[in-house]
Amino acid sequence: NAGVTQTPKFRVLKTGQSMTLLCAQDMNHEYMYWYRQDPGMGLRLIHYSVGEGTTAKGEVPDGYNVSRLKKQNFLLGLESAAPSQTSVYFCASSSTRPVGAEAFFGQGTRLTVV
Amino acid sequence: GESVGLHLPTLSVQEGDNSIINCAYSNSASDYFIWYKQESGKGPQFIIDIRSNMDKRQGQRVTVLLNKTVKHLSLQIAATQPGDSAVYFCAERVSAGGSYIPTFGRGTSLIVHP
Repeated sequence: NAGVTQTPKFRVLKTGQSMTLLCAQDMNHEYMYWYRQDPGMGLRLIHYSVGEGTTAKGEVPDGYNVSRLKKQNFLLGLESAAPSQTSVYFCASSSTRPVGAEAFFGQGTRLTVV
Repeated sequence: GESVGLHLPTLSVQEGDNSIINCAYSNSASDYFIWYKQESGKGPQFIIDIRSNMDKRQGQRVTVLLNKTVKHLSLQIAATQPGDSAVYFCAERVSAGGSYIPTFGRGTSLIVHP
């Protein structure tokens, strides 16, 4: 049972380069999220999706785009990477059941922009 | 704006002691409050949640208390063990328009000394 899988685990980018982070979940969850984690800042929501084909902005969406073409996948794109996007990125998913609030997280992607 | 925060960034305890991690929240529309544990190099892991219409919930060695009067949430860990050393996040799940979006606080680092 894989849960939530993020690809890649590590990446170094040069300023201005683009990349896509892939998140895949095998729990048939409707909700998926992308967070970034910076020292002393906790987890901040970038974008989220409440179902296939739908996305919405979170707290810190600037510089990122997302797509949810398939229910099990949620992609996070950086079109032109900046040093301020150096961070650890976490994907999470959760179900829509009204009882219980557990979200399942991936192992994270450590991104460095130089 | 409304936010979830933590009173103490670091908590040091002796093995076998009870630990109490505190959290303040300000969003009255939250339907669930959740505690996550994050070990070094890993994604957050669900510990326990509590629905907003409850004031106490117990799990294995953990108890969450919710005081809606003062908007305060706490996680109590009984007989703390070295394996409990981690960063603990409280999160609130705001229900809006049918979506359930977890919002995280900054985190508290728990250090357990043997």
